[in-house]
Amino acid sequence: DVKVTQSSRYLVKRTGEKVFLECVQDMDHENMFWYRQDPGLGLRLIYFSYDVKMKEKGDIPEGYSVSREKKERFSLILESASTNQTSMYLCASRPRDRVFHYEQYFGPGTRLTVT
Amino acid sequence: QQQVKQSPQSLIVQKGGISIINCAYENTAFDYFPWYQQFPGKGPALLIAIRPDVSEKKEGRFTISFNKSAKQFSLHIMDSQPGDSATYFCAAPQPGYSSASKIIFGSGTRLSIRP
Repeated sequence: DVKVTQSSRYLVKRTGEKVFLECVQDMDHENMFWYRQDPGLGLRLIYFSYDVKMKEKGDIPEGYSVSREKKERFSLILESASTNQTSMYLCASRPRDRVFHYEQYFGPGTRLTVT
Repeated sequence: QQQVKQSPQSLIVQKGGISIINCAYENTAFDYFPWYQQFPGKGPALLIAIRPDVSEKKEGRFTISFNKSAKQFSLHIMDSQPGDSATYFCAAPQPGYSSASKIIFGSGTRLSIRP
């Protein structure tokens, strides 16, 4: 089974802190994604990466950056955390060449609270 | 930004009843319409998907109905059970976007099945 793990389930940070969220997948997938989930807004794509060191902005990249130095690991960075970044953060991965290209595998999520 | 509009936002159904969740889309180039299921404390997971050249797909108690002319698709859960209580997302993979196509998610429906 595909496994996507996230470094923390719950995280509490102060405004202005630099925050790192880590994601690791064990299935050698090329594509990895970071979403935030807020009630009534669904899943909004922050950034994605289709290869090592490659990244593209999603729909809401402002205030975030990412890093992908190894294929299995994709990090989301909040340069200076703000209260409006309090949310559930979900990481996902997907292989590049696949007939069912709509199937993404999600991690359990990190609930981040910024105070 | 192509959208997938989902309704209702929340739904309460008695055990044994039929749960119906609806989605409407804009982009006629979408080539699959998946549904994701998310239990509390977990990431979303693929539940069922349909191609636009098929009007209906059934897997157990879950059925997707697709109306191409109306650009709508819906999820029906027959004989709904308390274990079906979850948040459901409709989705569509955005075609032709970089080498890793984005998946556009609806806003989600929180389904509660009353015993």
